[in-house]
Amino acid sequence: GESVGLHLPTLSVQEGDNSIINCAYSNSASDYFIWYKQESGKGPQFIIDIRSNMDKRQGQRVTVLLNKTVKHLSLQIAATQPGDSAVYFCAETPRGGSYKLIFGSGTRLLVRP
Amino acid sequence: EPEVTQTPSHQVTQMGQEVILRCVPISNHLYFYWYRQILGQKVEFLVSFYNNEISEKSEIFDDQFSVERPDGSNFTLKIRSTKLEDSAMYFCASRKDREAAQYFGPGTRLTVT
Repeated sequence: GESVGLHLPTLSVQEGDNSIINCAYSNSASDYFIWYKQESGKGPQFIIDIRSNMDKRQGQRVTVLLNKTVKHLSLQIAATQPGDSAVYFCAETPRGGSYKLIFGSGTRLLVRP
Repeated sequence: EPEVTQTPSHQVTQMGQEVILRCVPISNHLYFYWYRQILGQKVEFLVSFYNNEISEKSEIFDDQFSVERPDGSNFTLKIRSTKLEDSAMYFCASRKDREAAQYFGPGTRLTVT
């Protein structure tokens, strides 16, 4: 069945270091993979997406890597800041549907000052 | 920057009562979604809506649920007879045509007693 999951429930990093959040997926028939950030009491906030025919995409301080061979997705955050502390979800949009999002279970990122 | 808005922020209701959750999607978006997040769990897709009709729905979205776009700006989720297990955060999201990114509202916390 469809599933998107995360390797680690909590990641603690030092402020200024780079963070890498990982995600495994099982559904090969997805059009997009998307990262969301969710702060406590708020809705998911779009960070970056990558189309399934791409391997890498960069945004401001973030890079998403897609390895279709091993069905693995990662989000790299450069120079992590205290404001980056949140839960990060990966999500996928199954091909041929309404572009609904199927979310993983989340990784909590804690940034140590 | 345009945002998705939702009202109310918190709704408390008794089991068996009807509730209507309201959303105002971003104005130039064409696709609308409802998701829910039970406390401590991942975000789950409920329903997608386009061109005044449901385009996809999940198993959760049974006959007790309905959605409506009553005018050019509002998008509502109605739960006809609430159950205890309907207690969750409900998020509305919208997206533009030809883009995968969905933008989420701040959510409505529904508590069924």
